[in-house]
Amino acid sequence: DGGITQSPKYLFRKEGQNVTLSCEQNLNHDAMYWYRQDPGQGLRLIYYSQIVNDFQKGDIAEGYSVSREKKESFPLTVTSAQKNPTAFYLCASSDRNQNTEAFFGQGTRLTVV
Amino acid sequence: DAKTTQPPSMDCAEGRAANLPCNHSTISGNEYVYWYRQIHSQGPQYIIHGLKNNETNEMASLIITEDRKSSTLILPHATLRDTAVYYCIVRVVGFTTSGTYKYIFGTGTRLKVLA
Repeated sequence: DGGITQSPKYLFRKEGQNVTLSCEQNLNHDAMYWYRQDPGQGLRLIYYSQIVNDFQKGDIAEGYSVSREKKESFPLTVTSAQKNPTAFYLCASSDRNQNTEAFFGQGTRLTVV
Repeated sequence: DAKTTQPPSMDCAEGRAANLPCNHSTISGNEYVYWYRQIHSQGPQYIIHGLKNNETNEMASLIITEDRKSSTLILPHATLRDTAVYYCIVRVVGFTTSGTYKYIFGTGTRLKVLA
């Protein structure tokens, strides 16, 4: 089945540690996105990538880093510089030039203790 | 990027039509209106999208005003499973030199369907 997979679903880390969240898609989409969601809030864009080896900062990129070495993969690293990393993280992908929707993964809930 | 404004919450009786409004008064000519919904702790689910014509699919109908400054999502016969947060988003189709090809979410409307 085609889709977008985030892993793990739940992740716990100690404060000061970097952590990488996985996002893989087999939909052959060029564009991929990372969002952060805090309790009771909407989604805020962290980073997005329109094509392999290219990505742009979203509205809240500070403390995060990404890479896009392969079309199907867009991992997000939450660094120790991120002041409040505990949140729900969502990855999405979409076609680049088509009149189509974005598909979302089921999210990773990161808790930093 | 155009921004959207939605009421924070709405109630709807089960079996009745749910009409969810969205204002996007600064929308540009090439920006589509997308609707998604999110059930607690899950990824957002696509519902429908449109540019200027009204659209209908198996889930919902989308009514866009002639000036495109607002739209309404209609769930024709709401069920308890439609209880969710509904997001109205504008999205530029295709790439632009400014790199604004992205989806911008607001805070959405929390729809509660009542038995």
